[in-house]
Amino acid sequence: ETGVTQSPTHLIKTRGQQVTLRCSSQSGHNTVSWYQQALGQGPQFIFQYYREEENGRGNFPPRFSGLQFPNYSSELNVNALELDDSALYLCASSQGLAGDLGETQYFGPGTRLLVL
Amino acid sequence: QQQVKQSPQSLIVQKGGISIINCAYENTAFDYFPWYQQFPGKGPALLIAIRPDVSEKKEGRFTISFNKSAKQFSLHIMDSQPGDSATYFCAASLTGNQFYFGTGTSLTVIP
Repeated sequence: ETGVTQSPTHLIKTRGQQVTLRCSSQSGHNTVSWYQQALGQGPQFIFQYYREEENGRGNFPPRFSGLQFPNYSSELNVNALELDDSALYLCASSQGLAGDLGETQYFGPGTRLLVL
Repeated sequence: QQQVKQSPQSLIVQKGGISIINCAYENTAFDYFPWYQQFPGKGPALLIAIRPDVSEKKEGRFTISFNKSAKQFSLHIMDSQPGDSATYFCAASLTGNQFYFGTGTSLTVIP
């Protein structure tokens, strides 16, 4: 196990609703990234938080927003859900930037969101 | 624009054989190239990674070959085992800030 936990594991919402997904980082990790993984596809970067500040954002609309808390847990909020938002949402934590000085990002098991 | 292109989409290998998965990238500024392994119901897990100043890196049965001029890198799994059956993703990153993933290769190792 990676020590990264996500909740809930599964979620069903209807179009137009709002959803909040949560991630608890591995102890001591100050960087968290969120990814969207559609069925049969690779993860797509949504955004990254480093020490509670947004540190990069992928090609996702503003209705995707996030927060990182002082204890380095984080959440992903998605407003005005669309059918295409149905996917597995992964968070990954690292001590610093993954790849820098050999740091690794550790993924959680994901939250599977279904939008009807 | 797909920043990282991965092939093949699926691969079937006999036990003991060599599995080879290829990736090509667009941005020459990428400086970190990891490979991830993902089992059903789990998040991706780092398998092996390389930086562009090295042409090859080996860890156990897993080897990355890197060709900077061709903007390509590949994963070789030697002596493939049924337990290696999983989906493999290549990725590329610029200073660890944003990772671009390939579309994945589903590997099946037949006993």
